[in-house]
Amino acid sequence: EVQLVQSGAEVKKPGESLKISCKGSGYRFTDYWIGWVRQMPGKGLEWMGIINPDDSDTRYSPSLQGQVTFSADMSINTAYVQWSSLKASDTAMYYCARRGGGREEGTFDIWGQGTMVTVSS
Amino acid sequence: EIVLTQSPGTLSLSPGERATLSCRASQRVSSSYLAWYQQRPDQAPKLLIYAASSRATGIPDRFSGSGSGTDFTLTISRLEPEDFAVYYCQQYGSSPTFGGGTKVEIK
Repeated sequence: EVQLVQSGAEVKKPGESLKISCKGSGYRFTDYWIGWVRQMPGKGLEWMGIINPDDSDTRYSPSLQGQVTFSADMSINTAYVQWSSLKASDTAMYYCARRGGGREEGTFDIWGQGTMVTVSS
Repeated sequence: EIVLTQSPGTLSLSPGERATLSCRASQRVSSSYLAWYQQRPDQAPKLLIYAASSRATGIPDRFSGSGSGTDFTLTISRLEPEDFAVYYCQQYGSSPTFGGGTKVEIK
């Protein structure tokens, strides 16, 4: 079964750092880009960017450039997003998703279950 | 950046009725790079439609997409109980964006 499994919920204080993960299985991890999508409480979906696990090429949303860092470790089929200094406004559900291939290229065809990040003093 | 505006914000319908959801883009969406996703409460989104009108694997044929350029539509021919959810459109050109969503609720 093709799936993405994300790390568990996090509660952090403003200014702290954080790295959350997304592990792929059931397919060749390096064949598909991994994307990240933010969903603030009660709000819609926001495209954050994508990373190619094969060579770590990244594309960030212009609005989030510099706010987060994507990385990947293809030896363990895992992608990451990290923050160096969290803000309360980073409180959200974060989804990873596989960027589709073939005719579905550009869409997100497989999604992780989401990681809830809460930033509060 | 292409801004996607979905309407209506909320659609109140009964099971068995037809749902028509709109997604309008601020600029032309190239090559019909337009997708639709369904998000049920407390679940991750699920891909329904890509390339404006192609159903993703396993999606029932009561879901259909149409449109081109700047105007796109998702139609659910007969609503099933599991279809009451929030629907998002996404353009996946050079700088992808999502629309704000349409909630389909039980009347």
